[in-house]
Amino acid sequence: EDQVTQSPEALRLQEGESSSLNCSYTVSGLRGLFWYRQDPGKGPEFLFTLYSAGEEKEKERLKATLTKKESFLHITAPKPEDSATYLCAVQGDSNYQLIWGAGTKLIIKP
Amino acid sequence: DARVTQTPRHKVTEMGQEVTMRCQPILGHNTVFWYRQTMMQGLELLAYFRNRAPLDDSGMPKDRFSAEMPDATLATLKIQPSEPRDSAVYFCASGYGGAGETQYFGPGTRLLVL
Repeated sequence: EDQVTQSPEALRLQEGESSSLNCSYTVSGLRGLFWYRQDPGKGPEFLFTLYSAGEEKEKERLKATLTKKESFLHITAPKPEDSATYLCAVQGDSNYQLIWGAGTKLIIKP
Repeated sequence: DARVTQTPRHKVTEMGQEVTMRCQPILGHNTVFWYRQTMMQGLELLAYFRNRAPLDDSGMPKDRFSAEMPDATLATLKIQPSEPRDSAVYFCASGYGGAGETQYFGPGTRLLVL
């Protein structure tokens, strides 16, 4: 059964304190792993898609990496505006649906 | 800047009333998804369409929910009759539908059924 687990559920950091969010997945035939950011009262906002183990993508203070079992979202020197819930989802070869994790709520304190 | 739009953004209704939510996908996208998000369940897929045809609606309570795409620029989700347990945020997303293709989300409709 396709499954996505995100950890931790919540993470509080001081501004400038780098850390990583984890997304562990089990899927038959990975077609894509997606990271989204969701702010309160808004829809998920697309960040990255990773397709194969070893792939990395960067955007400002965020860097996503992928292995055969998990993905990390690394946040370098975060700012308060990086506070949000970060969602991970995978798509397998069984169908085109996304399997979603529960998200990690990130709080960056000034 | 192409975006998915949804109306209404907020809806408060009484139990038993009909609720209709509308979505305009990004022009050119051929796949539309309806999701429900709650604190307890997270994001749940209710239904999705490709080229206006329903491909999967197994996530919807069939007795009260219905989803349609009258044309390529409009998707609707109806609840009749509504119940308090339907209170949630409903998101529409659109994409090109291929393997590994990104889904782009609208701002959501926040529904409260009293």
